[in-house]
Amino acid sequence: AQSVAQPEDQVNVAEGNPLTVKCTYSVSGNPYLFWYVQYPNRGLQFLLKYITGDNLVKGSYGFEAEFNKSQTSFHLKKPSALVSDSALYFCAVRVGTNAGKSTFGDGTTLTVKP
Amino acid sequence: NAGVTQTPKFQVLKTGQSMTLQCAQDMNHNSMYWYRQDPGMGLRLIYYSASEGTTDKGEVPNGYNVSRLNKREFSLRLESAAPSQTSVYFCASRGQGSVGNQPQHFGDGTRLSIL
Repeated sequence: AQSVAQPEDQVNVAEGNPLTVKCTYSVSGNPYLFWYVQYPNRGLQFLLKYITGDNLVKGSYGFEAEFNKSQTSFHLKKPSALVSDSALYFCAVRVGTNAGKSTFGDGTTLTVKP
Repeated sequence: NAGVTQTPKFQVLKTGQSMTLQCAQDMNHNSMYWYRQDPGMGLRLIYYSASEGTTDKGEVPNGYNVSRLNKREFSLRLESAAPSQTSVYFCASRGQGSVGNQPQHFGDGTRLSIL
């Protein structure tokens, strides 16, 4: 079985400050990890993914994520937050087959205040 | 590019009514998925289709049926709607690529209320 935990329901940061949205996972085997963002009344949009290789992954809109195998974590980060980054963020994990199902975390609401 | 298109965007049903949610993708993706999103519960997989002609249950399939009509279209049917099925429903698709490494593409959802 695979699972994802996003331990914070809400993260609040000031504009210009660095942000971190946390994600931990549990899988049997090598994970494929993804971050998605959801704006109000919209579907999820892909931000970045970790498949293999470099533990620091860069994605859209200046976001990056660090894969840590020993801590089974894949935290989303951005050096300088923007008000427009305010949204709901989901971490997801998948293992193996091309038809494989992804498991999503419960989501973290990021609020960036001016 | 249209991507993943869901219809309708909103719907109100009475308990016991039936309804089909439509989903179509124009990216030539093999795999398609139906999720429901409820507050504080993330996304839960209802059914998925790994390829044209196949469908499989996800974690919350009870009360739903699906049809993979062709490679483009994947519909979700509620045969007898219940208030517990009030939710936002998302369809997603995913391309073949290398094993497991392609992200999903999501539609903008159908907001369904059952009275």
